[in-house]
Amino acid sequence: GNSVTQMEGPVTLSEEAFLTINCTYTATGYPSLFWYVQYPGEGLQLLLKATKADDKGSNKGFEATYRKETTSFHLEKGSVQVSDSAVYFCALSLKAAGNKLTFGGGTRVLVKP
Amino acid sequence: DAMVIQNPRYQVTQFGKPVTLSCSQTLNHNVMYWYQQKSSQAPKLLFHYYDKDFNNEADTPDNFQSRRPNTSFCFLDIRSPGLGDAAMYLCATSRGTDKQETQYFGPGTRLLVL
Repeated sequence: GNSVTQMEGPVTLSEEAFLTINCTYTATGYPSLFWYVQYPGEGLQLLLKATKADDKGSNKGFEATYRKETTSFHLEKGSVQVSDSAVYFCALSLKAAGNKLTFGGGTRVLVKP
Repeated sequence: DAMVIQNPRYQVTQFGKPVTLSCSQTLNHNVMYWYQQKSSQAPKLLFHYYDKDFNNEADTPDNFQSRRPNTSFCFLDIRSPGLGDAAMYLCATSRGTDKQETQYFGPGTRLLVL
């Protein structure tokens, strides 16, 4: 079946530090890949996405590259802010699965001033 | 702004008392989804509508039902809530079901069962 594995948190960083959240996937086919962010008490917001191999998604200083050879979609940001404190979900979707999103378990990130 | 709206943001119900959660969208999207998210877990898809076609996930309990009277609105009905149904319920929409389509989420309704 399809699955997404991401690093467990919490990840605690100081402001302006470099952030990496690892995400790997297993899928029967060629999925689209997404990163969603969830701030406390809120719904999920799309952070970025990539729909084919070697695509790079980017938004708000975050980047992730679709790596087919390593089945990965790691999220990075060069200099985090306190406002980046949230839970980050990696997810995939496949047309064969009706575009159902398969989520990883989420990674909580806490950025301290 | 086009958006996905969920009301109320917090809902309290009693054990066994039916409850309905609401979702509306101004995006004119064809597909509407309902997810259940328990504390510190990933969202779990319950079902979705493509237009009027209802698609239930195999492991969604019968206690959960849904209605979509028109393009803009979708409702989640919990017929007899148990303590284990306390969770955040997220509504999402997308234009279609191609893999590259983005799902847009509402802010969620947090359900408390007493």
